[in-house]
Order: sequence, then structure tokens, then C-alpha cells
Amino acid sequence: DVKVTQSSRYLVKRTGEKVFLECVQDMDHENMFWYRQDPGLGLRLIYFSYDVKMKEKGDIPEGYSVSREKKERFSLILESASTNQTSMYLCASSSYLGGAEQYFGPGTRLTVT
Amino acid sequence: DQQVKQNSPSLSVQEGRISILNCDYTNSMFDYFLWYKKYPAEGPTFLISISSIKDKNEDGRFTVFLNKSAKHLSLHIVPSQPGDSAVYFCAASANTGNQFYFGTGTSLTVIP
Repeated sequence: DVKVTQSSRYLVKRTGEKVFLECVQDMDHENMFWYRQDPGLGLRLIYFSYDVKMKEKGDIPEGYSVSREKKERFSLILESASTNQTSMYLCASSSYLGGAEQYFGPGTRLTVT
Repeated sequence: DQQVKQNSPSLSVQEGRISILNCDYTNSMFDYFLWYKKYPAEGPTFLISISSIKDKNEDGRFTVFLNKSAKHLSLHIVPSQPGDSAVYFCAASANTGNQFYFGTGTSLTVIP
């Protein structure tokens, strides 16, 4: 059974704090993704990675960075959290780019106050 | 600019009837399409996909239709069941590309 796990389901942080969101997959997938989901905007891609230590910007990378030191782990970093980063964050993985379904984690609801 | 659009934010259907969810796209390079289902407080789960070489793909109660000339796809659920109540996202990608583009989602409610 495929599994993508995220370190926290709910997180509350203060403006200006550095925030780490962790994602781990156990499917030996090459590709991992970070999305945010906001009402009326659907899922928007923040960053993705197709290999260890590789990363590509998605549609909304501003204010975020990522780290992929191991194949199974992909971290999203908010260097200085702001209230407009309050959102649902979803991690996903897939076995190859383009033509494969993505498996999603349960999401992290982040609130920045 | 939204490349994948779901113009109906919500849909209500009686149990046992057909649910039709629609999705439009603007990028003619898209050649692979997926539908995901999302329950509250859970991540999206893959439902069904279709490649541009086909115009229909069926999996049990779920059928996806693709009209390439109109840049339109639809998901049909027959018969609809209360457990189908969820938010449905369509997504598209180009094989030569590097990401999926998601629509804004349609919230389906199946009324018992």
C-alpha cells in the first residue's frame, strides 16, 4: 500500500518564524511535489523535485524553498512565514514526470498569525 | 492564468442519478488528463485518467470523456452514491512537460 506522510496535520506559527514541512514517501518514487490548496484557486504547484538534490520552481515559489537530501524525503521551508501563507499544504510523489498519477499525503493545515 | 478550469464550483445530484463534472483546458500541448477525488482533511486520491489518444476511458461507475477539439473533458459517475460526495479535481499535463496543472475543483453532493 503506497504511502505519503506529512509531519504535521495542523500547525500554527507566528509571522516571521521559519517553518519546516516534511514529507516522506515509501514508494521509491523519483519525483516529489509541494502544492498549496486555497479556496477557489485549486492546487497550485510551489516546487517539485525529480531527483535527489534537484529542484524546480513551480507556479508560486516566492517565499518558499525546498530541500531533498534523500530520495524519500522532500522538505518545504518557509523562510519567514507571513499571514498570506496560511493554507493547506499537500505533498505528492510519482514514479516519473508527465504521465503518471501522483500520490498525495494527507496535507498540513498551516495557520500563520 | 488558469490553464485548467472547472467552471462549476458545486453540483448536487440525487442518489442513483448521473453526475457529470466538467473541465476545460486551454493548452493544446496537454495530452494526459486525470481526475482526483478529495474528502475533507484528506489528500486527493487518484480516480481515473485518460490519454489524448483515446476519447473515452471507463472504470466501473466512472467514465471520463475527452473532446480534444473542444479542449474539454468530463467525468460521469453512474449511478451516483452518497459516498461519492467529495471535491473533484481535474488535472492535465504534457508528456514533454514537468508538472500537472489542476483545476479549481467541483464539490459534488449526492443526496440520499
